[in-house]
Amino acid sequence: AQRVTQPEKLLSVFKGAPVELKCNYSYSGSPELFWYVQYSRQRLQLLLRHISRESIKGFTADLNKGETSFHLKKPFAQEEDSAMYYCEDKLSFGAGTTVTVRA
Amino acid sequence: GAVVSQHPSWVICKSGTSVKIECRSLDFQATTMFWYRQFPKQSLMLMATSNEGSKATYEQGVEKDKFLINHASLTLSTLTVTSAHPEDSSFYICSARTWMEDSLTYNEQFFGPGTRLTVL
Repeated sequence: AQRVTQPEKLLSVFKGAPVELKCNYSYSGSPELFWYVQYSRQRLQLLLRHISRESIKGFTADLNKGETSFHLKKPFAQEEDSAMYYCEDKLSFGAGTTVTVRA
Repeated sequence: GAVVSQHPSWVICKSGTSVKIECRSLDFQATTMFWYRQFPKQSLMLMATSNEGSKATYEQGVEKDKFLINHASLTLSTLTVTSAHPEDSSFYICSARTWMEDSLTYNEQFFGPGTRLTVL
């Protein structure tokens, strides 16, 4: 069964606006959550992992065990953030969210 | 960061032939390697998980006799698409990750650049 859900397939925001990508996981136990990003014509690469609690390229993601969520946020989106984003928990990938940042 | 390579980057073959795709972790030993399939503008679909020296674990709906996976070493996994047909045309991506003993967690997956398979 799908363990990770990304409810939004497409997300379009204007440059400078906040962006939030939702990720919910369903797993009883300690999650091992990652966000990956795939820019156009590039391979997937790690963006964030929940255990490191870091901010990469202005993105943050907080693990909320009560809501079983690991949403990805950035307060001011940039055009270069346009990409496909995947949430992963222990080998289960979400369906991905394509983000388009408009000028 | 760790690098994963795939070879070939693209391949065109005739229907009925077999195609082998290699996935190598270049500067680290991968505990586990994964094979994904990606259709245009769609999400990754995990096909199978492969641990060195053991049989691959296939996801539901993936034919193990059609997609043969061999993981002979900690740095090499191969995917062979047997008797390929046009519907097997897709983008195949491998990744590798390592179990970290100190934190008892997996590190992130390192992805290969993918292999474009076109079956005529």
